Amino acid sequence: GEDVEQSLFLSVREGDSSVINCTYTDSSSTYLYWYKQEPGAGLQLLTYIFSNMDMKQDQRLTVLLNKKDKHLSLRIADTQTGDSAIYFCAEGDTGGFKTIFGAGTRLFVKA
Amino acid sequence: DSGVTQTPKHLITATGQRVTLRCSPRSGDLSVYWYQQSLDQGLQFLIQYYNGEERAKGNILERFSAQQFPDLHSELNLSSLELGDSALYFCASSVALAGADTQYFGPGTRLTVL
Repeated sequence: GEDVEQSLFLSVREGDSSVINCTYTDSSSTYLYWYKQEPGAGLQLLTYIFSNMDMKQDQRLTVLLNKKDKHLSLRIADTQTGDSAIYFCAEGDTGGFKTIFGAGTRLFVKA
Repeated sequence: DSGVTQTPKHLITATGQRVTLRCSPRSGDLSVYWYQQSLDQGLQFLIQYYNGEERAKGNILERFSAQQFPDLHSELNLSSLELGDSALYFCASSVALAGADTQYFGPGTRLTVL
């Protein structure tokens, strides 16, 4: 069946870059999403990439997609303590018939 | 603020009981999703409704049920509660038209079963 996998934890120093990785299995996925969950809050959409794109940049965030390997990454440049959160990768089809989330990667940013 | 509201924020109940969680989607959103987030299972998709009709089903137990009303708000009913049902329950909504189906999440309801 469809599955989205992420590593559970990542720890970086403030000012360094963070790279959060994700693999997915459904090659028919049209969109790949990154959501952020801060403590005690719901998930917030950070960015998404269409499956025919290789890269998308949005300020400090860079999303890279390797469709052949079904590998997605989120790079956060100049990571700040406020970036400490859980980051969820998700794959979905057009129009919301099916969206599958990974278990989330907990990012710790050390001052 | 995502525009999705959920009530109650916290709920404490006993095993064997039944509870109802409520969700109001963002204005204009036709699709509502329910998720369960627990420490050991991560974020699990439960069920999706679109304009009042069930659209997709995930890992939802038979003891759980949901519905979406004509005004598009949704309720998740959890019955015969067990200790393992303690979790954060999120509702999300989306427009669900063709294109990226961005889901907007509510703040969640924290359920504690004692």
